[in-house]
Amino acid sequence: LAKTTQPISMDSYEGQEVNITCSHNNIATNDYITWYQQFPSQGPRFIIQGYKTKVTNEVASLFIPADRKSSTLSLPRVSLSDTAVYYCLVGDGRAAAGNKLTFGGGTRVLVKP
Amino acid sequence: NAGVTQTPKFRVLKTGQSMTLLCAQDMNHEYMYWYRQDPGMGLRLIHYSVGEGTTAKGEVPDGYNVSRLKKQNFLLGLESAAPSQTSVYFCASSRDYEQYFGPGTRLTVT
Repeated sequence: LAKTTQPISMDSYEGQEVNITCSHNNIATNDYITWYQQFPSQGPRFIIQGYKTKVTNEVASLFIPADRKSSTLSLPRVSLSDTAVYYCLVGDGRAAAGNKLTFGGGTRVLVKP
Repeated sequence: NAGVTQTPKFRVLKTGQSMTLLCAQDMNHEYMYWYRQDPGMGLRLIHYSVGEGTTAKGEVPDGYNVSRLKKQNFLLGLESAAPSQTSVYFCASSRDYEQYFGPGTRLTVT
């Protein structure tokens, strides 16, 4: 399973854009990149998933360069409620693999007023 | 539509006792998972299931057993609890790559 490296923590202010970069040098051909968000005392919540280039949904964007050795989660105009731990996961996206996830330590994002 | 529910929410066990954690999902998902999360750490996969009647080992399966007799339920058993199993346990289910997590069970083994 590909190992991921992401910053331990980041601080930001309300209204700013937060970019979290994840390194995954050993990503395999069948691997997808997925990001989850976790609030204290809650289970993680899916944010976004991508394979290459750029993916955008209503809450975030995911940028993946051509070599796929890293990815960047972008949270536009964060609010206090975006304070959470964000996990970058890389794993085989095929159903036959069981859609298993391997969580690393995550990035603690603190949004200040 | 309750999503993923877990029973119980909290439990305290003495070393050597046994217990079963119940996970239920009402989304008709094929895949179900059990994770543990220790303080300040990410989640680690204990066991998972790709369908009714099937189970497989994850990253940290030792000391745990699971069963998936019905599609909507995934049970996690601790036969002889140890202090090292003190943790928060999360269940999840998925149809594809997006996993839906339950609220967690906080287990303390003394």
